[in-house]
Amino acid sequence: DIQMTQSPSSLSASVGDRVTITCQASQDISNYLNWYQQKPGKAPKLLIYDASNLETGVPSRFSGSGSGTDFTFTVSSLQPEDVATYYCQQHDNLPFTFGPGTKVDIK
Amino acid sequence: QITLKESGLTLVKPTQTLTLTCTFSGFSLSTSGVGVGWIRQPPGKALEWLALIYWDDDKRYSPSLKSRLTITKDTSKNQVVLTMTNMDPVDTATYYCAHFPSSRSAFDIWGQGTMVTVSS
Repeated sequence: DIQMTQSPSSLSASVGDRVTITCQASQDISNYLNWYQQKPGKAPKLLIYDASNLETGVPSRFSGSGSGTDFTFTVSSLQPEDVATYYCQQHDNLPFTFGPGTKVDIK
Repeated sequence: QITLKESGLTLVKPTQTLTLTCTFSGFSLSTSGVGVGWIRQPPGKALEWLALIYWDDDKRYSPSLKSRLTITKDTSKNQVVLTMTNMDPVDTATYYCAHFPSSRSAFDIWGQGTMVTVSS
């Protein structure tokens, strides 16, 4: 199985801050990497697919980049409604695997 | 508009079999490129992919759970059913079903989830 790691595991930032989360795969997954947002008590929501493609309807302050084994997810200007846990997920090989998540809150 | 909703028993005893139904609308599982997957999340923990069924009845399972899982579809009823045998307290989790378009290879629409507790 491809192992996914994320850092940091949690972060606290101010409204308007730029926030960056990294995701690393245990082997080359090309650009087959998705990002999800999960708010407390809710189902995950797809934000980014194939590393850098913004899902329809998702605000442009969210972005993703990377390929191979190293990926980055960025919120350009953190908003109060962005408080959530963010997960990366690879779809290069089955089984699909998710990262452990990064919890983001407001300072 | 695509929607999915999970249903099934919320409390099962150890060794019992769990049966969950995902009822969906807004798409057809007979359309080329469409799939429905199951993902679970133990309380306070990360997401874990379980199984996926495609429009052509191709089925894929998590290797670690493959011996315990069965996924089926009923296209006429717009339903996907997941069964998991020999339930254990460690299987306590919220179980989600999600729409999976092959064009994006991502779970783009999720159900609300159903919390399943395994306890005697």
